Amino acid sequence: AQRVTQPEKLLSVFKGAPVELKCNYSYSGSPELFWYVQYSRQRLQLLLRHISRESIKGFTADLNKGETSFHLKKPFAQEEDSAMYYCALHSGNTPLVFGKGTRLSVIA
Amino acid sequence: EAGVAQSPRYKIIEKRQSVAFWCNPISGHATLYWYQQILGQGPKLLIQFQNNGVVDDSQLPKDRFSAERLKGVDSTLKIQPAKLEDSAVYLCASSWDSHTEAFFGQGTRLTVV
Repeated sequence: AQRVTQPEKLLSVFKGAPVELKCNYSYSGSPELFWYVQYSRQRLQLLLRHISRESIKGFTADLNKGETSFHLKKPFAQEEDSAMYYCALHSGNTPLVFGKGTRLSVIA
Repeated sequence: EAGVAQSPRYKIIEKRQSVAFWCNPISGHATLYWYQQILGQGPKLLIQFQNNGVVDDSQLPKDRFSAERLKGVDSTLKIQPAKLEDSAVYLCASSWDSHTEAFFGQGTRLTVV
């Protein structure tokens, strides 16, 4: 069965500090991994996907199949990065499976 | 383009009552999802439609939950009768197909008292 694990419920960092939001998954095939973000009072939206291998708002994530991880990283956190972040997995015709989310709080 | 529209935004009902939620997906999106998000947890899929057909409803509590998308556009999700544990945010999302980005609505926050 597919499973996405985000071990941290809350992550607090100071502005300008590096950020790493952890995500581990369990799936035997070749999954697609995503990061979704929900800012305060806004709807859930896609931040980035591993296929595109792009940097969005300074965030990057690399799929590590050996460690079954897809950690989200940003070298210098900004206050506007404070939000809920969800890691999600999709494979074949199965729908998105979400982790429980990590709340990132960037302290000025 | 207009986003996914959901109504109502909030609903408070007593247990054993019925409730219905409505979703209007982005125009042209064939795939529609209903997710349940309980406080402190990630969204959990309830049902996935491809046009007006059900693709996956394995996690839908069919004894009390039902959903339809009769014309392949709008969708309704119904709970009858509601239980206290149904208190959650119900999210609707749509995408061009099951392999493309899903766009989410604002959600309906249901409180069962």
